[in-house]
Amino acid sequence: QSVLTQPPSVSAAPGQKVTISCSGSSSNIGNNYVSWYQQLPGTAPKLLIYDNNKRPSGIPDRFSGSKSGTSATLGITGLQTGDEADYYCGTWDSSLSARYVFGTGTKVTVL
Amino acid sequence: QVQLQESGPGLVKPSQTLSLTCTVSGGSISSGSYYWSWIRQPAGKGLEWIGRIYTSGSTNYNPSLKSRVTISVDTSKNQFSLKLSSVTAADTAVYYCARAVYYYDSSGYREYFQHWGQGTLVTVSS
Repeated sequence: QSVLTQPPSVSAAPGQKVTISCSGSSSNIGNNYVSWYQQLPGTAPKLLIYDNNKRPSGIPDRFSGSKSGTSATLGITGLQTGDEADYYCGTWDSSLSARYVFGTGTKVTVL
Repeated sequence: QVQLQESGPGLVKPSQTLSLTCTVSGGSISSGSYYWSWIRQPAGKGLEWIGRIYTSGSTNYNPSLKSRVTISVDTSKNQFSLKLSSVTAADTAVYYCARAVYYYDSSGYREYFQHWGQGTLVTVSS
């Protein structure tokens, strides 16, 4: 029942690029900043991107984020086997049911 | 470096109250402007925000859980806690505590989870 929609899965060969979309509405992505989280198997989520396109210290520049209107996108270039994980977008939803919302999640598979 | 650690019973009976505590180390829970948050994840499913608390005691909850959730803070112990009442099997999940950065500017509102605990599995079963 998430209000942010992501593709269930994306895949590519090592060294290639993948993009993950996150579709929302004016009450969430349209008017608030987006963050992205990487969850490796069996571990807690880790902040990957904040403020739509900023990377915390230690996150390689192979990871990038962007936002346009009510959608956001995470890009991963130079794909590595260690990038196999679930990725979630997140933002505040300012509707009458105000709450923080996460995307449905996307599994990245390195072929 | 701030670290968070969840603790509490791993098994709770249906209709009872789930209680978890998050202990913060490497910094004072009272310093800075952060929200202290709870997030959960059922096995094989996505993340669900439960709620948050500011060190003043101000809280916000997910409307879908609001009637059953209480989040509190104990600054003297550098801890914050979650109580979820009347649990059912649907509340079985890994529960994470997290520290959220937040602020407004002319372009909108941002809130993001900068630090996470490792998570603790809570199973609701008789």
